[in-house]
Amino acid sequence: KQEVTQIPAALSVPEGENLVLNCSFTDSAIYNLQWFRQDPGKGLTSLLLIQSSQREQTSGRLNASLDKSSGRSTLYIAASQPGDSATYLCAVRPIVSSGSARQLTFGSGTQLTVLP
Amino acid sequence: SQTIHQWPATLVQPVGSPLSLECTVEGTSNPNLYWYRQAAGRGLQLLFYSVGIGQISSEVPQNLSASRPQDRQFILSSKKLLLSDSGFYLCAWATSGGTDTQYFGPGTRLTVL
Repeated sequence: KQEVTQIPAALSVPEGENLVLNCSFTDSAIYNLQWFRQDPGKGLTSLLLIQSSQREQTSGRLNASLDKSSGRSTLYIAASQPGDSATYLCAVRPIVSSGSARQLTFGSGTQLTVLP
Repeated sequence: SQTIHQWPATLVQPVGSPLSLECTVEGTSNPNLYWYRQAAGRGLQLLFYSVGIGQISSEVPQNLSASRPQDRQFILSSKKLLLSDSGFYLCAWATSGGTDTQYFGPGTRLTVL
C-alpha cells in the first residue's frame, strides 16, 4: 500500500528565504505526483503536476522535482513571501489502482509560515 | 470555466442526527467526483468516488454513504452521525481520462457534538 510522508510537519522561515519542502513515497510505480496548497479552512489548490516521465515542473517561484527511483519529490519555493504561508500537500497517483478513477494518496502536509 | 460548489460551509450537528452535504460542479460534463475527509493534522482520506451517475465506489467502511443523482451533483449522507464523523469534508472533480489534476471545492466543516 502506498504511503506518502512529508517532513517536516511544520516550517517557519523569514521572508525572502529560499526553501525546500520534502515528500517521499514508498511505491515508485506512480503515474504522476501533484503538489497542492491549502489555506486554513479552505479547499486545496493544485500548484504543480509532474508526470512520471518528467523530472521537474516550474511555475513562477515554484519548482517541483521528482526522483521516482528514490521515491522522493521536492517543492522549491524561491524568495518566500508571507503570502506563501499555507499548508503544502503532495499526492501521488498510482499506475494501477482498483476501479477507473485512479485514486490519489496524500501526505499529511507541511505547514509553512513565512515571517515578515 | 469550471467551478465547484459545496454547501453548507459549516455545520454543527448532534450525535445521532442525519447528514446531507452537497457538491455541484459547473462547466464540465461527465466528471469523476470525489469525497474526502480531512481530520485535524492529517492528510486527506478518500471516502467515495464516482465515475458516472449512480456509480459509487467506497474506499473505507464507515457510517457514511454517497449518491450521484445527476451528472454534476454528488451528495454525502449519513442516517445517524457519530462523534468520529467530525472533520473537514472536501469534494473534488477531475476530467475522466484527462490530465488527472483534481480540483477541490471550498469544503464543509462538520462538528458533531
